[in-house]
Formats: sequence, structure tokens, C-alpha cells
Amino acid sequence: QSALTQTASVSGSLGQSISISCTGTADDVGKYNFVSWYQQHPGKAPRLIIQEVIWRPPGVPTRFTGSKSGNTASLTISGLQAEDEADYFCCTYAGNRNYVFGTGTKVSIL
Amino acid sequence: QVQLVQSGAEVKKPGASVKVSCKASGYTFINYGINWVRQAPGQGLEWVASATPGTSDAVYDQRFRDRVTVTSDTSMTTIFMEINSLTSEDTAIYYCARLSQSGQEAFDVWGQGTRVTVSS
Repeated sequence: QSALTQTASVSGSLGQSISISCTGTADDVGKYNFVSWYQQHPGKAPRLIIQEVIWRPPGVPTRFTGSKSGNTASLTISGLQAEDEADYFCCTYAGNRNYVFGTGTKVSIL
Repeated sequence: QVQLVQSGAEVKKPGASVKVSCKASGYTFINYGINWVRQAPGQGLEWVASATPGTSDAVYDQRFRDRVTVTSDTSMTTIFMEINSLTSEDTAIYYCARLSQSGQEAFDVWGQGTRVTVSS
């Protein structure tokens, strides 16, 4: 399985909205509604922020929203906050209990 | 509270083996799958394996299938990952992560990570 493709970096100003894309294939992202997103601050473990494409776990701010169209999933951060500066990884279920992560996107605040 | 606590950092020589542990607490151990994910220095996340605690059932990414073994000890609520024939390319932080409720296919609780360094 090849890694899902993400834009290497995205930047935005405080309060701005940004989107991160995650492109797979018809055999993974396109086939299953099991895309999840993880936020990782430097030196920390990843944190689940979106599961099953669109659902936020308890405690995750509502400014994080997920979506999917065809073989591409997206994460949107509406109203960028300073604490949102981090790396973001998508992940998809790929069948037979296998999973594939994205290449990661570094979000920076201008 | 629900948590996964991993064993400490390891330094190994090429060709050696390493065994990393992940102790679960705060929930019913056998009811949730555990996955292993690694992150090489400055790199992204790579899925390694998925296992069902309390059974011998495990699935491995094809890149690791021949060298990685995941086992568990229900009395210790601990899951283990052993990697054989280490090379410098195995230098990474290894995370255990709990698979969320059945059917959701996401990793909702993560361990703090175990740094494995392979160097001669």
C-alpha cells in the first residue's frame, strides 16, 4: 500500500480557514468511509480529531471538519487558532484490517 | 482514565532484536484492538500491525510481515511488539494505539511512544 498524498505544508493567519487534502485510490479512500485525521504537536503522540470522514470525537473543537469526495478526503480548520499549528495526518482503512497513513501536512500560522 | 503506557527507549545494534511493551489501563483490555504505528525521525506515520489482545490474531503490513511479531499478556493487560533483524532504517518512535469502537476504524488512544535507535 502506498502512502496517501497530502500537501506538505499549509499556512494561514489567525482566524483564517484552511483546508488540507488527502488523496488515495479507489481501493482505499474511495472505497471506505473510514478516513480519520490526527493532529501531532512536536514531540507528542498523535491525537484523533476526525473519524469516519466527518465525526469529531468528544472534546475536539467544532472548527475542525472533515469531508470526502471520491478518492480525496479533506480536513478544514475554520478560524485558525495558534494551538492549531501542528502536523496533520490522514489515515484510511484499506481492507483486511490494514491501514494507510498520509504523508502529513505541516500547518503554520503566519 | 483510559491510557496506554509504553516501555522506555532502546538502543540496539544492527541485526539485534527489540521488544517494546504497551500496558493498557482504564478499560476492558480484550475488547479493543491494538495497533502499532512507527515514525522515523522527521518523517510521517507508518502503520505496522494490528492485533486482537488475548488472541494470537495479528495482521502485519507486508513490509514488516517477516520481522515483526505482536503478542499479548491478558494478565498484565500488556501488548508486545518484537522486531527482529534490526537495521538503521528501523530507527523510529514506535507508538501503540487503541482501535476505537468496533466499526469506526480509528485510533482513539495513543501511547506516549518508544524511541528505538539502531546504531553500530
